[in-house]
Amino acid sequence: TQLLEQSPQFLSIQEGENLTVYCNSSSVFSSLQWYRQEPGEGPVLLVTVVTGGEVKKLKRLTFQFGDARKDSSLHITAAQPGDTGLYLCAGLSGGYQKVTFGTGTKLQVIP
Amino acid sequence: NAGVTQTPKFQVLKTGQSMTLQCAQDMNHNSMYWYRQDPGMGLRLIYYSASEGTTDKGEVPNGYNVSRLNKREFSLRLESAAPSQTSVYFCASKPSSFETQYFGPGTRLLVL
Repeated sequence: TQLLEQSPQFLSIQEGENLTVYCNSSSVFSSLQWYRQEPGEGPVLLVTVVTGGEVKKLKRLTFQFGDARKDSSLHITAAQPGDTGLYLCAGLSGGYQKVTFGTGTKLQVIP
Repeated sequence: NAGVTQTPKFQVLKTGQSMTLQCAQDMNHNSMYWYRQDPGMGLRLIYYSASEGTTDKGEVPNGYNVSRLNKREFSLRLESAAPSQTSVYFCASKPSSFETQYFGPGTRLLVL
């Protein structure tokens, strides 16, 4: 069974602070995705990283895929209240058909 | 273009009752997925269908069955509901292989 562990599980920070969320596994994935989920809604894709060592930036969010394609991180610079939500990483395998989600990180950004 | 739709939005069942959760997508996607989401557990894959006519078990398939009725529809059936199946169920679809998954709004199921 492939497992993706996220840390921290909960994070409450002040507006303007920086934060990093980690996603770790003992399994190798073909690619890794990050999603954000608002209460009462389904997850929405933020980014997909494919190559080991790859770094992608989406405005204030920076995503990195580990060299061995087993782990990833999400760094948010100068967090805003609009960043509040549940962040989920997801690993793709089996020809990109099988998706394994991480345990989730619940982020609260206080104005 | 409604994307991924799920019915019902909310359901209460008694232990032992059966029900079918419906999912449909109008984006002509090949692959469809059923997940359950429990507090502190992220999303766990129940079953998926890589293409019309095929289904495969995910991480937690026990107690569930699925049917890929056609390219648009992928249903999830609970034959004999148990309190442990109380959860929020999400359906998702994606075009094929290395593509984005699109999620439905979820079905909240409570089994008493």
